[in-house]
Amino acid sequence: EAQVTQNPRYLITVTGKKLTVTCSQNMNHEYMSWYRQDPGLGLRQIYYSMNVEVTDKGDVPEGYKVSRKEKRNFPLILESPSPNQTSLYFCASSPSGSYNEQFFGPGTRLTVL
Amino acid sequence: AQSVTQLDSQVPVFEEAPVELRCNYSSSVSVYLFWYVQYPNQGLQLLLKYLSGSTLVKGINGFEAEFNKSQTSFHLRKPSVHISDTAEYFCAVRLNTGGFKTIFGAGTRLFVKA
Repeated sequence: EAQVTQNPRYLITVTGKKLTVTCSQNMNHEYMSWYRQDPGLGLRQIYYSMNVEVTDKGDVPEGYKVSRKEKRNFPLILESPSPNQTSLYFCASSPSGSYNEQFFGPGTRLTVL
Repeated sequence: AQSVTQLDSQVPVFEEAPVELRCNYSSSVSVYLFWYVQYPNQGLQLLLKYLSGSTLVKGINGFEAEFNKSQTSFHLRKPSVHISDTAEYFCAVRLNTGGFKTIFGAGTRLFVKA
């Protein structure tokens, strides 16, 4: 089944404790992206990648890191999480080309205490 | 800079009534336009998209949208809604530059009442 998977689905952590949210897709898509969803703000793009070893900042990159060492994986790293990073996070992938739709993972709900 | 404005944060409607969810966008470069739907506790899935050509595009589940270049709008419509259409709907633009930069609107929560 073609899909984007994220782990964990739920995470409660404390301020300053490094964490990684994994994202993997099995559709051989070139493009991958991370979003955060907050009430009243919709989805905001954090980082995106257009190919292996190619990443770029979205609109809200502060406090996040990403890497793309393999085509299928695009982990999101929070090296020192803060309470304002409490949010619902989505990973998405897409074939290359701006005209293509994105395929979303099921989401990761993160709470930083 | 680009922006997407969804004019209604919540739209309550009775079952079998028509509905329109409004989306306006602003961009200095040409864009591709998308509507996504998010059912409770799920990720987003594509409803429809406008790339070029006919300004009326049809999507899944009986939804359609009309692109209006002069008004920079891309409103979503359905002539008769069902309870199962209760969800959050997001309008999004992707820049026509070959990249992956995407701007989403804040979302419209559609609530269909029996």
